[in-house]
Amino acid sequence: DVKVTQSSRYLVKRTGEKVFLECVQDMDHENMFWYRQDPGLGLRLIYFSYDVKMKEKGDIPEGYSVSREKKERFSLILESASTNQTSMYLCASSLLAGNQPQHFGDGTRLSIL
Amino acid sequence: GNSVTQMEGPVTLSEEAFLTINCTYTATGYPSLFWYVQYPGEGLQLLLKATKADDKGSNKGFEATYRKETTSFHLEKGSVQVSDSAVYFCALSTNAGKSTFGDGTTLTVKP
Repeated sequence: DVKVTQSSRYLVKRTGEKVFLECVQDMDHENMFWYRQDPGLGLRLIYFSYDVKMKEKGDIPEGYSVSREKKERFSLILESASTNQTSMYLCASSLLAGNQPQHFGDGTRLSIL
Repeated sequence: GNSVTQMEGPVTLSEEAFLTINCTYTATGYPSLFWYVQYPGEGLQLLLKATKADDKGSNKGFEATYRKETTSFHLEKGSVQVSDSAVYFCALSTNAGKSTFGDGTTLTVKP
């Protein structure tokens, strides 16, 4: 089974801090994704990557950046955290070829105080 | 662009009731269709999928049929259990590798 591991289940940070969320997958998937999930807003794509060092903006990239130095690891960075970035963050991965399903981690619930 | 519209919730049913959650889509090309389930405090898990018209995906008693003529992929289960209480997401994927998700439907099953 594919395993997608997010480094923290819960995280509390302060406004203005630089925050790193880490995600690792163990199935050699080319695609990796970061979403945020908020009540009533569903899943919103922040960034995705289809290869090492490649990244594409999703629907809501403002205030975020990403890093993919190795195929198995995809990091989400909040450059200067703000209270409106309090949310559930979900990482996912998938194969590049064909119409493949995504495999999700358990999520990181991030609170910015 | 692609879009997925699913039945608004929340949906509350008694145990052993019949479940239908409607899902319709708009897509260019020939997407694959998926249902995901999210249990409290967890990420999304793939529940079932269908890759072409008239395919039926099934898992754990849930079923959905890919209907190209009505652009629909409705989720059904004949007899729900309390343990089926979760949020259900309909989604589609194209060759671009990205997926488009519906907004999710919260199901609560009462004993």
